[in-house]
Amino acid sequence: DTEVTQTPKHLVMGMTNKKSLKCEQHMGHRAMYWYKQKAKKPPELMFVYSYEKLSINESVPSRFSPECPNSSLLNLHLHALQPEDSALYLCASSHRDRDTGELFFGEGSRLTVL
Amino acid sequence: EDKVVQSPLSLVVHEGDTVTLNCSYEVTNFRSLLWYKQEKKAPTFLFMLTSSGIEKKSGRLSSILDKKELFSILNITATQTGDSAVYLCAVEKGALNFGKGTSLLVTP
Repeated sequence: DTEVTQTPKHLVMGMTNKKSLKCEQHMGHRAMYWYKQKAKKPPELMFVYSYEKLSINESVPSRFSPECPNSSLLNLHLHALQPEDSALYLCASSHRDRDTGELFFGEGSRLTVL
Repeated sequence: EDKVVQSPLSLVVHEGDTVTLNCSYEVTNFRSLLWYKQEKKAPTFLFMLTSSGIEKKSGRLSSILDKKELFSILNITATQTGDSAVYLCAVEKGALNFGKGTSLLVTP
């Protein structure tokens, strides 16, 4: 079983909705990540938080808003999404971002935007 | 621009065959290269390679890195149907940058 927990596992939302994806880890990792994965494509990095501060934003549209309330939690707030944003959103954590090493992935939240 | 290129993109083999998956990279400030296996859900970690020429082994899987020629290979011997998955190579640089993956299908 993965030690990175993501909720919800599935989410269907309209383009005008506001929703959030949540991620939690209790491994003491200080770096957390959001990746987006479309079907038959590799994961694409969206955001990196290191010690609860945003350290990398891969030019992600502002309709995706990350938040790291504490070292164990990572949220991704969604607003005014487009159908092409439908994808599997993967959260991951690692010990620290300057020497990433192994990333531990959650099972993902599968998002469908209607 | 950094690149991670995997080949082949897909592969079909029979149970018992040996396969070699390739990953080449052009990345500045390289730190390490990682291999992941992805079935239906999250990628699961296989190997992390930082030093050239040192083989890492786990059961039927092994991997090696060549930092001079900028590539890595992942070998799977005596393949089983449970090895069917997408194998992702990633280079670490602040986060992981993934290649497109090799989709492996092992048929009975």
